[in-house]
Amino acid sequence: EVQLVESGGGLVQPGGSLRLSCVASGFTFSRYWMSWVRQAPGKGLEWVASIKQDGSEKYYVDSVKGRFTISRDNAKNSLYLQMNSLRAEDTAVYYCARDSSGWSWGQGTRVTVSS
Amino acid sequence: SYELTQPPSVSVSPGQTARITCSADALPKQYVYWYQQKPGQAPVLVIYKDSERPSGIPERFSGSRSGTTFTLTISGVQAEDEADYYCQSADRSGTYVFGTGTKVTVL
Repeated sequence: EVQLVESGGGLVQPGGSLRLSCVASGFTFSRYWMSWVRQAPGKGLEWVASIKQDGSEKYYVDSVKGRFTISRDNAKNSLYLQMNSLRAEDTAVYYCARDSSGWSWGQGTRVTVSS
Repeated sequence: SYELTQPPSVSVSPGQTARITCSADALPKQYVYWYQQKPGQAPVLVIYKDSERPSGIPERFSGSRSGTTFTLTISGVQAEDEADYYCQSADRSGTYVFGTGTKVTVL
């Protein structure tokens, strides 16, 4: 069974940083593209970033380019999202997802950017 | 990047058919996927590659494509189908887009 467990969310001030983690189990992590998706309160889903199996390709939505960095450690079955220069509009639940003919999702971690 | 537009809401009586459309402003080169999301829960895949149904998803869920419009059909809607539904596709290599989302209300 695919399991994705996110952590690292919390309350941070505007301009601050946060690092999200996602630990995967139940599948061979190194074989899959992985992504982060967020959902602001009461809003729809927004794709944030994706990373290739070996980390050689990374893609971002325009609104986070230069501020967020996606990375992975296949030896630790872990996906990360380093978020810098956070803004109020980054407030959301952040989901980790596995790409395999449709996505499997974790339960999400909440990030609140507020002073 | 292109956009995927869905109606904000669809209301249907139990046992009736709900149709949720996803209109692309350009022809997606990739497949469309559909997700169901209930309040406080993570999304769940209900249709992949336009019309394929994952194991464990009831047969009443089906997907179709006509030109730049994709449709998720729920036949014989049940109360448990009340949820938000999102379509998704790939924009270009490595980037993705989600539809605007549709709230399905079972009357």
